[in-house]
Formats: sequence, C-alpha cells, structure tokens
Amino acid sequence: AQSVSQHNHHVILSEAASLELGCNYSYGGTVNLFWYVQYPGQHLQLLLKYFSGDPLVKGIKGFEAEFIKSKFSFNLRKPSVQWSDTAEYFCAVTPLTSGTYKYIFGTGTRLKVLA
Amino acid sequence: DTEVTQTPKHLVMGMTNKKSLKCEQHMGHRAMYWYKQKAKKPPELMFVYSYEKLSINESVPSRFSPECPNSSLLNLHLHALQPEDSALYLCASSQDSGGADTQYFGPGTRLTVL
Repeated sequence: AQSVSQHNHHVILSEAASLELGCNYSYGGTVNLFWYVQYPGQHLQLLLKYFSGDPLVKGIKGFEAEFIKSKFSFNLRKPSVQWSDTAEYFCAVTPLTSGTYKYIFGTGTRLKVLA
Repeated sequence: DTEVTQTPKHLVMGMTNKKSLKCEQHMGHRAMYWYKQKAKKPPELMFVYSYEKLSINESVPSRFSPECPNSSLLNLHLHALQPEDSALYLCASSQDSGGADTQYFGPGTRLTVL
C-alpha cells in the first residue's frame, strides 16, 4: 500500500539550531510531494511543494526540501529555526491512483523550538 | 481571498441526531475535499468533489453523506453517528484535482458524538 513515513514524531530544538525532518514515501510511479505546516491554533497551510524540475525546492519562511528519487525521500530543512517555527509539520504525497490523484499525509512531526 | 471557511467551529451531537457541516470557498476552485483528523493523527481523505461531482469516496460509511450544491459550497450531512466518529473534520479546496495543486484548508469543525 502507498504510504508516507515521517520518522521523527517529536523534535525539540533551541533557537538558531538547524532542522531536518525526514519524509519517505512508498510509491514507484510519478509523485508530487508537499510539506504542510499547522501552527498552533491555525489551519494547515502549504510550506512548499515539488512536482518537477529542480529537486531542491524553496518554500516560505526559509524552509527548503530536497527530493531524492533514488531514496524515495523528501526531507525538509531549515538552517536556523525560530521560536515561531513551533508547529506540526506534515509531509504529503499525491500518487496517481486509478486515474485520480489523492493526498496521502504522513503521520506528522511536532516541532518545539525553545526560545 | 485564499480562505476556506467552515461552520460550525464546534458541534456536539447525539447518536440519533442529524446535523450538517458546511464549507465554503470563493477562490474559484473546482475541487473540494473532506478530511477526518483524529487527535495526533494525520488528515485522512474522505471525499473528493471535482467540478461538483463526487470523484472519490474512500469507503466512508453511509452515515456520512457529502453534497456539493455548487462550485463554492460543500456540505457533509451526518446521521446516526457513533462516538468513534468524534474528530476534527477538515474541508479543503484546490484549483483542480490535479496532483500538483495546492490544497487550501479550512480551520475545521470539531465534532463530538455522545
């Protein structure tokens, strides 16, 4: 079955530390890849996405992600986190299934940044 | 305007009640979605509407009945729910139902079934 794995369920960092959140998916065909973020009390919103071209994608608020096809991975990075990055982060994949795309979300990573 | 609105914000209902959740967007999007999210879990897709037609039903029990009256509005009718149906119900929309489209999410309706 198609799935998305996020191995880090909880991450705690100090401000200015570097961040890398892992995302692996199991699907052999063409995929589109996304990172969504949910800040406390707010709705899910897009951080960045990849669907073709340069595998290094830059998103909002200094986030970037790299698509490595051979590793089925799409890890999220930020060189220096801020307290305001405290949130839950979801990786998502949209495989083409029976002629239709549908989002499959990973289990999420809760990031807490200490001031 | 990149907003998806959902009403009500909270809903408490008994197992014999009938209620409806409402979702609205005015971005001209032609695809709309219902998700269910349990605590500390990712959103799980329930239904997809594309151009006001149901295109995906993820084997959702018939006590959940979606409706798309027009391109801006999506309803989820609830009847004879079970306590395990208590969750956050999220609505989303996207330009189209293509795989690369960004989904815009509403704040959700927190449903409690007694």
